[in-house]
Amino acid sequence: AQKVTQAQTEISVVEKEDVTLDCVYETRDTTYYLFWYKQPPSGELVFLIRRNSFDEQNEISGRYSWNFQKSTSSFNFTITASQVVDSAVYFCALSGGVWGGSEKLVFGKGTKLTVNP
Amino acid sequence: GAGVSQSPRYKVAKRGQDVALRCDPISGHVSLFWYQQALGQGPEFLTYFQNEAQLDKSGLPSDRFFAERPEGSVSTLKIQRTQQEDSAVYLCASSPTVGKDYNEQFFGPGTRLTVL
Repeated sequence: AQKVTQAQTEISVVEKEDVTLDCVYETRDTTYYLFWYKQPPSGELVFLIRRNSFDEQNEISGRYSWNFQKSTSSFNFTITASQVVDSAVYFCALSGGVWGGSEKLVFGKGTKLTVNP
Repeated sequence: GAGVSQSPRYKVAKRGQDVALRCDPISGHVSLFWYQQALGQGPEFLTYFQNEAQLDKSGLPSDRFFAERPEGSVSTLKIQRTQQEDSAVYLCASSPTVGKDYNEQFFGPGTRLTVL
């Protein structure tokens, strides 16, 4: 069975601090995909990143960076110099399959990030 | 807009009523998913369509839940004889199976169902 664990329920930081959101996953699939989504107060899930299991390169996109480590089954997300607009619930998710696009997402329970001015 | 749309955005039902929730996926997206998100939780998978075929309905919590996508585009999630535990946000997502966005699920704004 697939499982995603986000141990941090809530995190509160002050603007400009760096913050890391943890994600640990379990799967028996050899090919799988990992995702991060942002859910702002408006409720709509916003896609942030997709990673396949064969690509362990870390990725940076502006203030966002992701650290994928298969050895520890982790896919952590770091926001550098956080801003108030980063306040949201962040979900890590996992799907299996070779082709993707047809595999259900298994979500963690989410981490609520509050960035205070 | 070119995104996934859902209607209604909010629905209040009395216990025992039937409800129907609609999802309009992004044009051309073959895959369509329904998820249920309880308050304070992550979304949980309900069912999946590829075109008009329902390929996975393992997440539907009971036989009161029924989904269809008869022409491979718009989908409807129907809940019969609603119960209080059905109160949640119901999210629809669509996904292409080819192209640069394959494997990315695009989510709609959700329908918040409250059962009194």
